[in-house]
Amino acid sequence: GAVVSQHPSRVICKSGTSVKIECRSLDFQATTMFWYRQFPKQSLMLMATSNEGSKATYEQGVEKDKFLINHASLTLSTLTVTSAHPEDSSFYICSARADYFLQETQYFGPGTRLLVL
Amino acid sequence: DAKTTQPNSMESNEEEPVHLPCNHSTISGTDYIHWYRQLPSQGPEYVIHGLTSNVNNRMASLAIAEDRKSSTLILHRATLRDAAVYYCIIDYGQNFVFGPGTRLSVLP
Repeated sequence: GAVVSQHPSRVICKSGTSVKIECRSLDFQATTMFWYRQFPKQSLMLMATSNEGSKATYEQGVEKDKFLINHASLTLSTLTVTSAHPEDSSFYICSARADYFLQETQYFGPGTRLLVL
Repeated sequence: DAKTTQPNSMESNEEEPVHLPCNHSTISGTDYIHWYRQLPSQGPEYVIHGLTSNVNNRMASLAIAEDRKSSTLILHRATLRDAAVYYCIIDYGQNFVFGPGTRLSVLP
């Protein structure tokens, strides 16, 4: 099956700093990538959808200036949490989809655990 | 709004079949049904997906009701490694909406 990687797998940072998380599709080209956030004992919540070469579409309530998404190539998307605060501590998961019109499913990365002190 | 309904939790004995139900009464004709599972501290893992016909793969089978308002994920022989949260997701377009899923416990 298709493989999606994330880096780093976990990160601890101080409040006020920025953190960048990378999401890569290793063996396919992802026309669309998705970023989710999951708090303990809760389900995944979609944060934003990004298509290669265009601006990301953010879900309601997600601050686009705080969560910067760059989908610069068909195999790489990055999420930057700017000026992170303890309430941003969460499990961030990306997924990638090859081509919706071929009814491709989404393939998920292993997740990045962010802890903001 | 996940638009799917699943039991919060289920239990199974090891090496017995497990039938995980999902109701999706608002599904339309071109919406695919996807199943994923998630182990603790991991990203969701693709299990199976289908449109109208029943589907089989090496992990599981997907039985879709004739009216498509419900589906059942079938694990033919549960193992301890199958203990996870199982999500049934309807693909309405580009985005997936995750509900709370079903937490499956497998007893040795």
